[in-house]
Amino acid sequence: GQNIDQPTEMTATEGAIVQINCTYQTSGFNGLFWYQQHAGEAPTFLSYNVLDGLEEKGRFSSFLSRSKGYSYLLLKELQMKDSASYLCAVRDSNYQLIWGAGTKLIIKP
Amino acid sequence: GAVVSQHPSRVICKSGTSVKIECRSLDFQATTMFWYRQFPKQSLMLMATSNEGSKATYEQGVEKDKFLINHASLTLSTLTVTSAHPEDSSFYICSAGQGDAGELFFGEGSRLTVL
Repeated sequence: GQNIDQPTEMTATEGAIVQINCTYQTSGFNGLFWYQQHAGEAPTFLSYNVLDGLEEKGRFSSFLSRSKGYSYLLLKELQMKDSASYLCAVRDSNYQLIWGAGTKLIIKP
Repeated sequence: GAVVSQHPSRVICKSGTSVKIECRSLDFQATTMFWYRQFPKQSLMLMATSNEGSKATYEQGVEKDKFLINHASLTLSTLTVTSAHPEDSSFYICSAGQGDAGELFFGEGSRLTVL
């Protein structure tokens, strides 16, 4: 079967750095996405990785290792508004998106 | 950037009635749109893939006669929840992308409450 694993919940301090991991086992690979979702709202796009390595976009970075079936989302200089769920999704060989359950990130002052 | 609009954002209906939710791509043509359902504190669950001009592809366990999907044009897909029941109360979200590469754009979501 196909599955995406990410931690259920993480807690971090305002101003700090946090890394949210995602491991996947899918039939084929055509890219990995990270989305941010605030409670009661639709997800918003954060990053897309299809090649190995690190993609940096402001305070957020996303890393991919296809050989390890592993990705992480790195959030720097955490702000209270970063409190949200972070969803990892992988597009398989049929271009279907397989979604992780999401990681709820709690930021404390 | 590309925007997907969803309407209505909130709807309350009586049990047994039908509710239609619209999903529009505002500045691009979406040959494929996706419909998701999300229960509180849970992840997105793909219900169906809507293809313009053809029948939708439903995920296993999703009743196609209950959740009617119509993708009549390249910018509009609709989800109709027929004979709604309280257990259909949920957050319904649509998304669309431009081709096979790149990001998906999500609608604002529609919160359905069935009394």
